[in-house]
This record gives sequence, C-alpha cells and structure tokens, in this order.
Amino acid sequence: NAGVMQNPRHLVRRRGQEARLRCSPMKGHSHVYWYRQLPEEGLKFMVYLQKENIIDESGMPKERFSAEFPKEGPSILRIQQVVRGDSAAYFCASSPTASSYNSPLHFGNGTRLTVT
Amino acid sequence: DAKTTQPPSMDCAEGRAANLPCNHSTISGNEYVYWYRQIHSQGPQYIIHGLKNNETNEMASLIITEDRKSSTLILPHATLRDTAVYYCIVRGGAGGTSYGKLTFGQGTILTVHP
Repeated sequence: NAGVMQNPRHLVRRRGQEARLRCSPMKGHSHVYWYRQLPEEGLKFMVYLQKENIIDESGMPKERFSAEFPKEGPSILRIQQVVRGDSAAYFCASSPTASSYNSPLHFGNGTRLTVT
Repeated sequence: DAKTTQPPSMDCAEGRAANLPCNHSTISGNEYVYWYRQIHSQGPQYIIHGLKNNETNEMASLIITEDRKSSTLILPHATLRDTAVYYCIVRGGAGGTSYGKLTFGQGTILTVHP
C-alpha cells in the first residue's frame, strides 16, 4: 500500500523560473494538504484541497503561489517567478475520502526546493 | 484549535521509556490529541491519537488525563532511531473552521543517547 508520493524529491530553480511540485495521495484519499517548512523553522500550513476544490487557502501567499487537485492525476503546487525566499521543504499530506478529525493525515517525504 | 505546550527538549537513554508531556488546557470536548514526529529531513510521521481514552499501538502509548488538559506520549523502549522532533497537536472537532488541518508548534526535540 503505497504512501503519499511526492516528486521530485529535490528541485533546483533559478530566480524567476517556475516550480511545479507534485503530490499523489494515498489510494482512496481525496483530501490533500500542503505544508511548507523553511530552513530551521516549523511546518506551516498552506492549503487544503479536495478533488477539484480549494477548501482552505488561508496559509498560501497571495501572489505567485497556486494549487490544484484535479479530478484525475496528482495535486500540483505551483510557484511562479521563484525567489530565494521560496527555498524550503514542501510537504504534502492526505486523508481518506470519508474524512473526519478521527482520521490521521499521512505525509509524504517532501520536495526540497532550492532557488539559486 | 486549542494550543499546546511542550518542553523544547528532552533526553532519554536507549532502552528506557521516553515520556513526552504535553499541556492542552483549553482543549474542547470534541478535539482530538494527535502526536507526530519528524526525523531529520523526512516528512512528519503519524504516531498515535486519542480523544478521551488512553490509546496504544505498535509505536507508542498515549495517556490522556481525565480532565483532558494534558497528555503523555510514551515510547516504551526508546532506540537511537527515535531521536526526532515530537509534535503534540490538538485537532478540531465538528463545527470548527480548521477543516481538519494540523497546526504544528515547535515540538519537543527528543535525543536518545547510548
């Protein structure tokens, strides 16, 4: 039973380029959460999506960042015109379809974005 | 979601039990207590969660006080691989606006030494 899969594991982008981070949730999970962890800092919530819907984007920066979770395929976190301050580890988590607060979130091993 | 308070760091000898405390004095009746850990550079790993009763699984035990204002995570026989940051998180119940997300604090850095 595969866990949450994130790719790529490492991503290097030059300033001004676009970064696309992918997350495939666990089988049967239709709730996806994205988190960011800056160097030497804690995990910060960014966005919560269900299939084809953004439910809570209260942690997303207002500009350059977007997320989607299409009916088919992985969830995508897109960062346009990256800057050095975007360098961080980005983690995705998923939870089951019939989600409740009694269902744990399961995390992937993250994508480490480095902006040069 | 209720806030939690954890000691910033703890030490434990290999093979001994590690007891990690957490205070959550403002927890409400429908909020769960979750524990995760993060081993360096990996994604957070789910350990255990509970509402009112004590819980045990293959990784750990969770002891929740009767008034639910605090809890303790117990790793019965700590190994060097248990060295990690441990997060105690209160997760909102029905009617909340947290949409089930987890809010991570600073956690407790547990160091298991030989």
